Amino acid sequence: DTGVSQDPRHKITKRGQNVTFRCDPISEHNRLYWYRQTLGQGPEFLTYFQNEAQLEKSRLLSDRFSAERPKGSFSTLEIQRTEQGDSAMYLCASSSTRAFFNEQFFGPGTRLTVL
Amino acid sequence: SQQGEEDPQALSIQEGENATMNCSYKTSINNLQWYRQNSGRGLVHLILIRSNEREKHSGRLRVTLDTSKKSSSLLITASRAADTASYFCATDAVSYNTDKLIFGTGTRLQVFP
Repeated sequence: DTGVSQDPRHKITKRGQNVTFRCDPISEHNRLYWYRQTLGQGPEFLTYFQNEAQLEKSRLLSDRFSAERPKGSFSTLEIQRTEQGDSAMYLCASSSTRAFFNEQFFGPGTRLTVL
Repeated sequence: SQQGEEDPQALSIQEGENATMNCSYKTSINNLQWYRQNSGRGLVHLILIRSNEREKHSGRLRVTLDTSKKSSSLLITASRAADTASYFCATDAVSYNTDKLIFGTGTRLQVFP
């Protein structure tokens, strides 16, 4: 399968714990995006990388959130001291700057539940 | 924040009928894309229409774009039960100078067999 993959698919954690999610983009894609989606809403942008550089961060990304893409391939999103309001689906997408249009391909998401 | 809204929020039809959903957005755009999301799953890219295009077809999908009204519509013809999903429009706004996508609130489509 050459699509975007995310791990884990589901995560249940207690409030105050740290969690880390991983995203593996399509191999030839140099851009990687993180979005968050709460129930009944559309996805909201969190941050994105071009290669290993983090180019933009949303104001939704509080200082408890950190994202990395150390080698320009896979990315991790860490949430420290989780809160119940962090419960959401975290979606990763990738795209290529060599493509003419900004078509983003999404992974299956990681559903986070904070108890 | 969401870029715009889809209308209707929910739509129920019988198999074989056509489904039309609309999307409105707020700022000038480069492209507008439509995505489908099955319950609890990731998003599947359906179709992209450029800001200088007015209509585009892909299989049973027809998308229109009216930049003067800042709106788009997605028509699914001869719907099937498998089309049951949420549908989102997404734009990459010129003014943001970024490639991030801004999504609407979605239309939940239910197709009954």
